[in-house]
Amino acid sequence: AQSVSQHNHHVILSEAASLELGCNYSYGGTVNLFWYVQYPGQHLQLLLKYFSGDPLVKGIKGFEAEFIKSKFSFNLRKPSVQWSDTAEYFCAVNTGGFKTIFGAGTRLFVKA
Amino acid sequence: DAGVTQSPTHLIKTRGQQVTLRCSPISGHKSVSWYQQVLGQGPQFIFQYYEKEERGRGNFPDRFSARQFPNYSSELNVNALLLGDSALYLCASSFRQGDNEKLFFGSGTQLSVL
Repeated sequence: AQSVSQHNHHVILSEAASLELGCNYSYGGTVNLFWYVQYPGQHLQLLLKYFSGDPLVKGIKGFEAEFIKSKFSFNLRKPSVQWSDTAEYFCAVNTGGFKTIFGAGTRLFVKA
Repeated sequence: DAGVTQSPTHLIKTRGQQVTLRCSPISGHKSVSWYQQVLGQGPQFIFQYYEKEERGRGNFPDRFSARQFPNYSSELNVNALLLGDSALYLCASSFRQGDNEKLFFGSGTQLSVL
């Protein structure tokens, strides 16, 4: 069965620290990959997406993610986090069908 | 532009009761998906409807049902509620373009079953 694994459930960083959140998926075919973010009290929203082409994709608020097909990974990065990045981050995979599969999420807390 | 709207925002029911949750997609979106998010987990797929037809169903019991109306709004029904049905129920709409589908989520309905 297809699945998405996020390596860290909770991450605590100080402002200006670099961020990398791991995401691995299990599916051997073509995938569409997403990172969604949920800020406190807000709804889930799309942070960035990969459909095809350049495996390094850039999203909103300075986030980027790299698709490494050989590793089945789609890690999220940001060079310097801010207090306002405190949120829960979800990696998700769509294999071209009707279902998008989400990871369990990573809660990021950024200390001011 | 209005986003995905869900009602009610909160709901408290007792075991054995039935509940109906409602969702209005973004204007122009013809696909609605329902997800269940239990505390501490990611959203789990329940249903997708496109053009008023069920396109897919997740691993949920028959107590869960849904439908989509001609205006593309949708309802999720859950019968014979169990304590384990307590969760945040998310509706997401999308405008399907080939295989590339990104979801726009509503704020959800928080269901508590006592």
